[in-house]
Amino acid sequence: NAGVTQTPKFQVLKTGQSMTLQCAQDMNHNSMYWYRQDPGMGLRLIYYSASEGTTDKGEVPNGYNVSRLNKREFSLRLESAAPSQTSVYFCASSEADGTNSPLHFGNGTRLTVT
Amino acid sequence: GNSVTQMEGPVTLSEEAFLTINCTYTATGYPSLFWYVQYPGEGLQLLLKATKADDKGSNKGFEATYRKETTSFHLEKGSVQVSDSAVYFCALSHYNQGGKLIFGQGTELSVKP
Repeated sequence: NAGVTQTPKFQVLKTGQSMTLQCAQDMNHNSMYWYRQDPGMGLRLIYYSASEGTTDKGEVPNGYNVSRLNKREFSLRLESAAPSQTSVYFCASSEADGTNSPLHFGNGTRLTVT
Repeated sequence: GNSVTQMEGPVTLSEEAFLTINCTYTATGYPSLFWYVQYPGEGLQLLLKATKADDKGSNKGFEATYRKETTSFHLEKGSVQVSDSAVYFCALSHYNQGGKLIFGQGTELSVKP
């Protein structure tokens, strides 16, 4: 049971570089999410996708774009990385919205932007 | 807007001590409330939940009661183990935000043998 798989686990970027964080789930879930985790701030929602073909902004979307490639995959792109984007990024999925079905999280991507 | 506030950590306890982690929320109406746990090097996983006032969620010896009158959802465990060392997140979900989860800042628990 793979669950939610994120790649890469670690990444170091220089300011201005771009990269894509990959996420895939094998639970046939409809909803997928990208969060960032920063010390003292908990998890903050960047973008989410309620179903295949739809995406919406969360609390902190600036500087990011997403693609729901198909039902399984939801990628997060940083077009021009900034030091403020240094964080741990978590992808999650759920069968429906977070009220009625638990979120299943990947193990995270630790990103450092120098 | 909706928000969740947790007690600051880290919390350090000896094995078999009683645990309380405070959580209060701000929201209109009746949100659903959750506790998620993050073990070292892993993503979060659901620990327990309560969807209406006075409900008690419980799992693995942990429990929390949804108190509407005090807008609280405190996490408790009668006797902690070293294996309970983790970061605990309180969260809420409300229909006025499309059911998306809002997390508190997290409380780190360290249990010493």
